[in-house]
Amino acid sequence: DAGITQSPRHKVTETGTPVTLRCHQTENHRYMYWYRQDPGHGLRLIHYSYGVKDTDKGEVSDGYSVSRSKTEDFLLTLESATSSQTSVYFCAISESIGSDNSPLHFGNGTRLTVT
Amino acid sequence: GDSVTQMEGPVTLSEEAFLTINCTYTATGYPSLFWYVQYPGEGLQLLLKATKADDKGSNKGFEATYRKETTSFHLEKGSVQVSDSAVYFCAHTTDKLIFGTGTRLQVFP
Repeated sequence: DAGITQSPRHKVTETGTPVTLRCHQTENHRYMYWYRQDPGHGLRLIHYSYGVKDTDKGEVSDGYSVSRSKTEDFLLTLESATSSQTSVYFCAISESIGSDNSPLHFGNGTRLTVT
Repeated sequence: GDSVTQMEGPVTLSEEAFLTINCTYTATGYPSLFWYVQYPGEGLQLLLKATKADDKGSNKGFEATYRKETTSFHLEKGSVQVSDSAVYFCAHTTDKLIFGTGTRLQVFP
């Protein structure tokens, strides 16, 4: 297994509170991603990073922010959690991006429930 | 825009049955194609991939052929096992990976 650790694995929080999810990798891969998984939608990209302090938005970035201060850590923050952000969040890493076809390696996910 | 469409599940089969999960895509450029598998409680794992037309990806008895003329990448296995029960995702990448909605496979003894 690729060395990817997501924390926490489960979290329940109240509407309006900020929440931070952490992804830690030991593979020294340049690219890191945050996806959310919802029934009927598959996986949708929230944000991704192509290096330290270099991030960009995915298709469902509203209400989320990210930070990458070190190669190994990629944080996802829900600034003010809403019930629509109840989901399973997956972190992924890859050595390269795009048509170079470098596969993604996924963490085991964080199940977030916003009440 | 770029997208991936795969058949809705669940697909329910008996052990040793033949499996096909359909996947078609739309993409600008010339994407690489992937099948990922997700077992319960886990993240996705790469199952197989193909990077150019007519390539066949294969792994663990699963196969898929990159068909540029029909923009398809259907997943097949000749004889499924109970342990194959999982959710299967088709995906393609040009600049970023785009996933289909997933197809749940349930295999019964």
